[in-house]
Amino acid sequence: AQSVTQLGSHVSVSEGALVLLRCNYSSSVPPYLFWYVQYPNQGLQLLLKYTTGATLVKGINGFEAEFKKSETSFHLTKPSAHMSDAAEYFCAVRRTGNQFYFGTGTSLTVIP
Amino acid sequence: KAGVTQTPRYLIKTRGQQVTLSCSPISGHRSVSWYQQTPGQGLQFLFEYFSETQRNKGNFPGRFSGRQFSNSRSEMNVSTLELGDSALYLCASMGDPPSETQYFGPGTRLLVL
Repeated sequence: AQSVTQLGSHVSVSEGALVLLRCNYSSSVPPYLFWYVQYPNQGLQLLLKYTTGATLVKGINGFEAEFKKSETSFHLTKPSAHMSDAAEYFCAVRRTGNQFYFGTGTSLTVIP
Repeated sequence: KAGVTQTPRYLIKTRGQQVTLSCSPISGHRSVSWYQQTPGQGLQFLFEYFSETQRNKGNFPGRFSGRQFSNSRSEMNVSTLELGDSALYLCASMGDPPSETQYFGPGTRLLVL
């Protein structure tokens, strides 16, 4: 069963516009949730994570995500896109047993 | 702290050969996981090692194997390479609880001709 679903494999936004990348998870228990970013020919870099506590999580580079249990969502947002935000973004969930499951990724293009 | 390092960064092999990739985790991290990343399949989990023992395993054929040494460095081996093994192989390390985050290396790009 799919653990993480990222809606939209490609998202384009204009520079300065809102960035919204969608992630839904399937879980019967509160999961640990993560967003990673990958630049070309590089590994994955952690943007932010939700474990427990505050449902609005702030990360690096101005990104934030909100854990919504009722919607089983963990969407990533940034108020104003910058050219340097162009990259591949992955949502991931960690389950018991240390197993991480990644979404298929969303490629973000920023249009000048 | 130094990050996760992977060697080599790029490899070209031919079908039927075998290959060994190396990963050095962040100092103090005992968990090392390996992933295969391809455009069509995304990130797929290969296996995880913890204190020299394989703790989790993904759904890959037996041609893919790994091991971990006492200093937590890990190697991944692929035997009898196939064209479809061309991919970016990523290694990630994680600290002991309460740590819950994987930190990734830059990856090894393998091209099988």
